[in-house]
Amino acid sequence: NAGVMQNPRHLVRRRGQEARLRCSPMKGHSHVYWYRQLPEEGLKFMVYLQKENIIDESGMPKERFSAEFPKEGPSILRIQQVVRGDSAAYFCASSAGGTRNQPQHFGDGTRLSIL
Amino acid sequence: AQSVTQLDSQVPVFEEAPVELRCNYSSSVSVYLFWYVQYPNQGLQLLLKYLSGSTLVESINGFEAEFNKSQTSFHLRKPSVHISDTAEYFCAVTPLGSGNTPLVFGKGTRLSVIA
Repeated sequence: NAGVMQNPRHLVRRRGQEARLRCSPMKGHSHVYWYRQLPEEGLKFMVYLQKENIIDESGMPKERFSAEFPKEGPSILRIQQVVRGDSAAYFCASSAGGTRNQPQHFGDGTRLSIL
Repeated sequence: AQSVTQLDSQVPVFEEAPVELRCNYSSSVSVYLFWYVQYPNQGLQLLLKYLSGSTLVESINGFEAEFNKSQTSFHLRKPSVHISDTAEYFCAVTPLGSGNTPLVFGKGTRLSVIA
C-alpha cells in the first residue's frame, strides 16, 4: 500500500541548471499539493493541482517555477535556471478530494541543493 | 487569510515527563486544525486532527490536543514522553468549507526527549 512517492530524494544542481521533482500521489488520490520547507521554517504552500488542472498557484514564485499534473504519470515541479535560494526541501502531499476537507498525506520530500 | 504561531521553536524534556507544545492560530473564518510530526529526513505524518465534534482529540500513540475556540489554540500534549517521540511537530490549519484547500503551517517545534 504505497504512500506518496517522491523522487529523487536528493538532487544537486549547479546554478543555472534545471531541476525536475516528481511526485506520485497515493492510489486513488487526485489532488496534489507542493510545499517548500526552508531551513528553520515551516512548510510554505506553493501550488495545488488536480488532474490536468492547476487549482491554486498563489504560493508559486512568478518566474522560473512551474508545475503540472498530467492525465497519466506523476506530478512534476520544475524549476528553471536554479539559484542558491532555491535550496530547500520540497514536499508533495496528496488527498482524496471530495466535498469535505480530506487529510493530506505527505511524501518524504526531495532535498534540493544548489552549488 | 490564516496564520499559525508555534510559540516554542525547541522543547527539551526528560523521558517520561509530560510535555505541551503550544499552537495558536489566527483566522477570520472557522478552520480545521492538524498536528503533523516529522522525523529526520522524512515527510510529515498526520498525528491528529480536529474537524468537528469533541474538542479533545487523541492519537494512537498517546498524544492529545484540545481545540479552544475562544483562545484560538490547539495545544498538543502527552503525559509521558518516550525517546522515540523526538521529532519536529507542526501545527497546521485550513479553512472550513467545501473542497480541499492548502494547509497553513506553523514554523514547527523541535521536541528533544532526553534519557
